[in-house]
Amino acid sequence: EAQVTQNPRYLITVTGKKLTVTCSQNMNHEYMSWYRQDPGLGLRQIYYSMNVEVTDKGDVPEGYKVSRKEKRNFPLILESPSPNQTSLYFCASSFVSPNTGELFFGEGSRLTVL
Amino acid sequence: SQQGEEDPQALSIQEGENATMNCSYKTSINNLQWYRQNSGRGLVHLILIRSNEREKHSGRLRVTLDTSKKSSSLLITASRAADTASYFCATALLQTGTASKLTFGTGTRLQVTL
Repeated sequence: EAQVTQNPRYLITVTGKKLTVTCSQNMNHEYMSWYRQDPGLGLRQIYYSMNVEVTDKGDVPEGYKVSRKEKRNFPLILESPSPNQTSLYFCASSFVSPNTGELFFGEGSRLTVL
Repeated sequence: SQQGEEDPQALSIQEGENATMNCSYKTSINNLQWYRQNSGRGLVHLILIRSNEREKHSGRLRVTLDTSKKSSSLLITASRAADTASYFCATALLQTGTASKLTFGTGTRLQVTL
């Protein structure tokens, strides 16, 4: 089944404790992206990757890191989480880019930082 | 502010009625996409309309695009309780350097009652 898989789905952590949210897609997509969703603000892009070893900042990259060592994986790293990073996070992928086709989304990872 | 703004923010209708949601945007686009999100779940792509298209249909969905007014509408005909969800428009911008991003609005919450 074609899908984007995120883990963990739910996580409660404390300020400053490094964490990684994994994202994997099995559709051989070139493009992958991370979004965060907050009430009243919609979805905002954090980082995106056009291909392996190619990553770039989105609208709200502060406090996050990403890597794209393999085509299928695009982990989101919070080196020192803070309470303002409490949010619902979505990983998404596309064949080439959103300019040419749809995004496929994971089920989301709900993160709470205390 | 968001590139895409949906209107209304919330809509409540009875099963069998039609639901219309509108989206306005600010800058020139390559395409506009509509997504659906069930509560707390990942977004699911509904339909993509390119800037040179005026109308598209998919099952009970009808999307129109008016680039002169920078607006789009999503019509769901003969709505069902299962259509209850949030609906988002997302734009892929035409500007150089923005080819790798979909910008989402804040969504319309649709409630369909029996």
